[in-house]
Amino acid sequence: DQQVKQNSPSLSVQEGRISILNCDYTNSMFDYFLWYKKYPAEGPTFLISISSIKDKNEDGRFTVFLNKSAKHLSLHIVPSQPGDSAVYFCAARVDSGTYKYIFGTGTRLKVLA
Amino acid sequence: EAEVAQSPRYKITEKSQAVAFWCDPISGHATLYWYRQILGQGPELLVQFQDESVVDDSQLPKDRFSAERLKGVDSTLKIQPAELGDSAMYLCASSTDRNTEAFFGQGTRLTVV
Repeated sequence: DQQVKQNSPSLSVQEGRISILNCDYTNSMFDYFLWYKKYPAEGPTFLISISSIKDKNEDGRFTVFLNKSAKHLSLHIVPSQPGDSAVYFCAARVDSGTYKYIFGTGTRLKVLA
Repeated sequence: EAEVAQSPRYKITEKSQAVAFWCDPISGHATLYWYRQILGQGPELLVQFQDESVVDDSQLPKDRFSAERLKGVDSTLKIQPAELGDSAMYLCASSTDRNTEAFFGQGTRLTVV
């Protein structure tokens, strides 16, 4: 039962253009949604999050949009830079007494110079 | 800046041998997680501690995996005996009520030969 899904395993974008990474979820009890970035042989690093009561959160070049009715969120990176090339994981947090984080399968972003 | 420390970074072991990983979470973080990430997939929760207590080990293969966090600080994850299918990145993370996100260590890359 995959509660967090990233249906695009990879994405290639030209430098300077917008990158859009998508994520779908099934559990209405998630209270936060997060994006992590991961380079090879390293642990995931936190990028940006959004509360379930918001529909948009922006941090510099990164914006996350949440559509609760569609159970869908997306990460926009504008403008994309070669250093953004990494695997991006969508994650969702649920409070079941303690916080639990459930991850999607990841999208590999390649930004072409 | 506080970090989650993991060791070793890399481990090669023969199948049927025992292997152990160590994690020191960020000071003051009561919740500690062990995740396993197989190449091409997202991190999968193996076990979650709240202080020294296990709060979720439903995905931990208990016939061969064990985890402990005796003093509620650092933690050890053990595999005995290792199998070829255990080859993966083992990630430790910690969290606190004061932050939205979980913080990850750099992981241990395990190769079973």
